[in-house]
Amino acid sequence: KNEVEQSPQNLTAQEGEFITINCSYSVGISALHWLQQHPGGGIVSLFMLSSGKKKHGRLIATINIQEKHSSLHITASHPRDSAVYICAVRSREVSNYKLTFGKGTLLTVNP
Amino acid sequence: DGGITQSPKYLFRKEGQNVTLSCEQNLNHDAMYWYRQDPGQGLRLIYYSQIVNDFQKGDIAEGYSVSREKKESFPLTVTSAQKNPTAFYLCASTTGQNYGYTFGSGTRLTVV
Repeated sequence: KNEVEQSPQNLTAQEGEFITINCSYSVGISALHWLQQHPGGGIVSLFMLSSGKKKHGRLIATINIQEKHSSLHITASHPRDSAVYICAVRSREVSNYKLTFGKGTLLTVNP
Repeated sequence: DGGITQSPKYLFRKEGQNVTLSCEQNLNHDAMYWYRQDPGQGLRLIYYSQIVNDFQKGDIAEGYSVSREKKESFPLTVTSAQKNPTAFYLCASTTGQNYGYTFGSGTRLTVV
């Protein structure tokens, strides 16, 4: 079983819809990251969370440490949000700041 | 602006040749990482370095080598011993525990 599981693997939405991507992990963590990867391949860091909730524009990320679960929400989705969204965790047990990644969720937003 | 530069963006090599991928950062980050991405899989750690002149193997280090002679630079060599080198390679860096990561734009290596 992977340490980081994301769902769904693929998500297709219509412009304007509210999007939720989920991430579950099995280890104790010091931080969880949400990343965005566009078709060209480069990765952009969206959020780093260790508790609670963060918001940036139309993006909201939440984490529940007790349940080992995080969600990424996109409000009023737009075709430019189409990308792969990746959840990654940093284990509390190691000091090398290494990340363990989920396999990603491919989001397609149609106009 | 500070960031990570990976070059080249696309690289083609013949089977059996060694190839070196460049990763340069001007963020003054101490820790640097090389990840490999294959279709349908999460990124996997190849090597990492937390300080100049020191580096550690990651989960899939076989067939790869690195050096960290300068804080800004962490080149990755894909050797002929790597059995399946065709992949997308990403470099990343961070300054520490409470900070986020910066990723490069990646190098897509194709071995023919």
